[in-house]
Amino acid sequence: AQSVTQLGSHVSVSEGALVLLRCNYSSSVPPYLFWYVQYPNQGLQLLLKYTSAATLVKGINGFEAEFKKSETSFHLTKPSAHMSDAAEYFCAVRNSGNTPLVFGKGTRLSVIA
Amino acid sequence: GAVVSQHPSRVICKSGTSVKIECRSLDFQATTMFWYRQFPKQSLMLMATSNEGSKATYEQGVEKDKFLINHASLTLSTLTVTSAHPEDSSFYICSASDRGREKLFFGSGTQLSVL
Repeated sequence: AQSVTQLGSHVSVSEGALVLLRCNYSSSVPPYLFWYVQYPNQGLQLLLKYTSAATLVKGINGFEAEFKKSETSFHLTKPSAHMSDAAEYFCAVRNSGNTPLVFGKGTRLSVIA
Repeated sequence: GAVVSQHPSRVICKSGTSVKIECRSLDFQATTMFWYRQFPKQSLMLMATSNEGSKATYEQGVEKDKFLINHASLTLSTLTVTSAHPEDSSFYICSASDRGREKLFFGSGTQLSVL
């Protein structure tokens, strides 16, 4: 069975500082991995996804994530946080084929001016 | 890009009434629809999976008679919350998979409040 663990339910960074949101996955087959962002009272927006191509994936809004098979990790980073990055971030895993996404519990990112 | 239209975005209803939520795929055929529920400050939990023309498969603990899912066409799936109660108040969100099964698109979600 697949699962996702997001370390830290809440991360707080200063504006301009590095953002690092951690995600570890468990999957019996090569996974598809995703990061989504959710702003208050809104749906999900896809930030980026890993689908077995390049291990370093660049997404929207300056975010990127690196797939590390040896560490079963897919951490999300951004070099410089902006106030508008404050939101809830979800890591998710999916097998190839007709399977649903399995979400982590989410990490709330706060950006301090 | 592909769009999944979900509505209503917000609904308030009285306890005991039924509420229907619609998800439409606007420019692709949604062969599979996944329905999720998200309680405040929690993650998204899969409720059920439906394939066009087939009965939905429900996750453990989800009452199929309470959460009726219809996926009669390749562009429309509905979730009906029957005899809603305050504990059903939640954010419901659909996601649709295309025929190639490699892409997954989310609706914008429905905030249900049961008084």
